[in-house]
Amino acid sequence: GQQLNQSPQSMFIQEGEDVSMNCTSSSIFNTWLWYKQDPGEGPVLLIALYKAGELTSNGRLTAQFGITRKDSFLNISASIPSDVGIYFCAGQNPSGYALNFGKGTSLLVTP
Amino acid sequence: NAGVTQTPKFRILKIGQSMTLQCAQDMNHNYMYWYRQDPGMGLKLIYYSVGAGITDKGEVPNGYNVSRSTTEDFPLRLELAAPSQTSVYFCASSFRLAGSNEQFFGPGTRLTVL
Repeated sequence: GQQLNQSPQSMFIQEGEDVSMNCTSSSIFNTWLWYKQDPGEGPVLLIALYKAGELTSNGRLTAQFGITRKDSFLNISASIPSDVGIYFCAGQNPSGYALNFGKGTSLLVTP
Repeated sequence: NAGVTQTPKFRILKIGQSMTLQCAQDMNHNYMYWYRQDPGMGLKLIYYSVGAGITDKGEVPNGYNVSRSTTEDFPLRLELAAPSQTSVYFCASSFRLAGSNEQFFGPGTRLTVL
């Protein structure tokens, strides 16, 4: 499996701030997914992207499928304490069944 | 609709022991997966199944076995537990259709091998 480069590794922000994180790959993907994992829980799907250039929102979250098909971005607007967790990107190449996961971005939000 | 369920939630094994991690889904998904997650790392695929009776190796299959006799269940077997298998194990499922692969995860099994 291919390891994706996810950055930043961690973020420590104040409530109300906006957050941006991204994921890059050396290979082309046909699907990008963004997950959030709370401590002691399994990852929960936030947003799925299927088309280059696609911009999709889910509440305060917005994600984009990069034009080159080798990257994706996740933005969180007006962060709140419950946004705390680890955010993972996952990409799927056209020929495979598996998802390739990034190492995650750990987000801490202070009130 | 329980989604993906996993048992047990926690387990401690001695080196050389064996165990089966259970996974079940009630969403009628055709694809199922087993991942392991080590601290500070993303998830790595152990095995996957595209339907009942069909399984295949993922990135890190050594030391594990799987079977898929029904659509709902996908157990993961550890035959001779080793300390390197200390990890958190996640089962996932998806309904593959025309490129869609939105995988839904269970709550995980935390395994320690001493």
